[in-house]
This record gives sequence, structure tokens and C-alpha cells, in this order.
Amino acid sequence: GAVVSQHPSWVICKSGTSVKIECRSLDFQATTMFWYRQFPKQSLMLMATSNEGSKATYEQGVEKDKFLINHASLTLSTLTVTSAHPEDSSFYICSARAGVRDQPQHFGDGTRLSIL
Amino acid sequence: QKEVEQNSGPLSVPEGAIASLNCTYSDRVSQSFFWYRQYSGKSPELIMSIYSNGDKEDGRFTAQLNKASQYVSLLIRDSQPSDSATYLCAVKVNRDDKIIFGKGTRLHILP
Repeated sequence: GAVVSQHPSWVICKSGTSVKIECRSLDFQATTMFWYRQFPKQSLMLMATSNEGSKATYEQGVEKDKFLINHASLTLSTLTVTSAHPEDSSFYICSARAGVRDQPQHFGDGTRLSIL
Repeated sequence: QKEVEQNSGPLSVPEGAIASLNCTYSDRVSQSFFWYRQYSGKSPELIMSIYSNGDKEDGRFTAQLNKASQYVSLLIRDSQPSDSATYLCAVKVNRDDKIIFGKGTRLHILP
């Protein structure tokens, strides 16, 4: 149980392109989803927390107009990187949590984004 | 002060031995603690959750929690080369909806 699917797993695109990443909880309803970014050999960095049906809460320093998050249903959240630039190249990982706050987060497989 | 601290390693352990991974946290009222394993280039995978003082065992893994000392550990018995990975300690901060990750300890099991 607690399977989280993330798509696509790998994206290579030109600078200026917008890229959408999907995160789905396959066998549970995710009231809260989280988006992380991880640079090589660095730790996970939380970008934002999203709750179904409400606006995402962004961490300090994360541009909400650049990283658009939508959590329209209990099983789907999307992250759109708008007008991506090479410095946005990173490993983006979503996680999902069912129900109460003390439950663990379950991670998707991640999306490796490379901006040329 | 960093909220969740781990030794970055690498920690090298012979195959078959016990690997001991440690983590300390600063928020005294934290209630939920997690260990994740992350292979290079992959996303984290949940190993254990622990919520109360003492030991919790699951197969070759044992999580230990001491809230008075603000310390949580993970023991891996009969270590295997496939256990070589980075182990992330994560703590649920009660004032918040998120969990805080440590930077991880790289574990290397020597064949």
C-alpha cells in the first residue's frame, strides 16, 4: 500500500519552457502533498506543502509564481515550473500523506529535470 | 541550531555486522519520527516510523527512540551490501504540518 506515482521521470527541455510534473497517490487519498527539490549530494529541500482544495504554502525563498502548485483532488497534485532556466535543473520529488499529521510521507520516484 | 542532525558519514560496516545510525533533534515536543532510505539517484523510501520511547523492530531493522535525550537511532542487523545507501532521519515538528529531514548518513556495507 501507500504507492505514489510521479510522472514524468525524466524531462529535458529548452530554456524558457514550462514543465508540468504530476504526482498521484494510487491506493490512498492524500489530504496533503509535498514538493521537494534535491541537488546532487545535497539534502531534500521542501519547496511547498499543498492541501487538497486550497492554496499551497511555499517555503521561504521559493517563488510561488515560478513554481505553480495545484492540488485539485485527493489523489493528484501538479507542479509546474514556469519559464524554466538551467538553474532550475534538479531532482524534483513529491510525497503524499494520508489523513492525520503524524502519518509518514510516501514519496514518488522523482522527476529529473534538465534545462538546456 | 539545526533541527535534525546526523553524521554525514560515510559509515563503513562489514557485511553481516550491525550498522548503527544516529540522529538528534532539537524540538523537544516532537512526537513522530521516521527513517527513510535513499539510494543514489532515487527518491526516499520509508523504513520505519516510531512514535513512543523504546525500541521498535521490523525484520532486520530496529528503531530506538529516547525523547528525554532527543535522540533516535536505527540499527540494521546482518548488514547486506544492498543496505548501502543514505539513511535520512525525519522528525515531525508539532507546530507545523511538515517533517524536517536530516542531511542523511551514507552507509557503506563492505562485502
